[in-house]
Amino acid sequence: SQTIHQWPATLVQPVGSPLSLECTVEGTSNPNLYWYRQAAGRGLQLLFYSVGIGQISSEVPQNLSASRPQDRQFILSSKKLLLSDSGFYLCAWSIHYGNTEAFFGQGTRLTVV
Amino acid sequence: QKEVEQNSGPLSVPEGAIASLNCTYSDRVSQSFFWYRQYSGKSPELIMSIYSNGDKEDGRFTAQLNKASQYVSLLIRDSQPSDSATYLCAVSSNTGGFKTIFGAGTRLFVKA
Repeated sequence: SQTIHQWPATLVQPVGSPLSLECTVEGTSNPNLYWYRQAAGRGLQLLFYSVGIGQISSEVPQNLSASRPQDRQFILSSKKLLLSDSGFYLCAWSIHYGNTEAFFGQGTRLTVV
Repeated sequence: QKEVEQNSGPLSVPEGAIASLNCTYSDRVSQSFFWYRQYSGKSPELIMSIYSNGDKEDGRFTAQLNKASQYVSLLIRDSQPSDSATYLCAVSSNTGGFKTIFGAGTRLFVKA
């Protein structure tokens, strides 16, 4: 069966510090991968999605970036965090072909102080 | 801008009643529709997926899709306090890539 791992679960970082969140998927090949952010009391905002290694599409201009160095690994990064980057970050995967459901990792709650 | 709209709620229903959650979407070429449940502080979990017009039933849950009206709904029969959560409607299409867009969610409160 497929599983998705996302870490860390919580993170407190000072303004201006770098960020790296990692997500890995097991039990499937060539998945579509997604990074979403959820602000408190808000819906999910799609940040990045990837249909293959090295292929990243950005949905929202911001100081975040994403990379996919391996088939089942997706990384969200920032060189300098802003207060507005605080939120609940969720990694998700779906099968490569077709408009199928996405499955989420446990999420990372990021607080920028 | 493709959008998915939901009433934020809270929707409050007594235990045992039917809860009705609604969602509209703007992209007419949307092909797949999903309902997720999200408990406070947790990640969303998939409840239902529906791809064609009509009703789809799974246990106490029924999803309804009307593509002509760009409308999708979720009915929860015999609501339980454990159903209290935020319900997210999600819509996917392959225009511009396989992206799933989420609504802001409806908070449901089931009173014991």
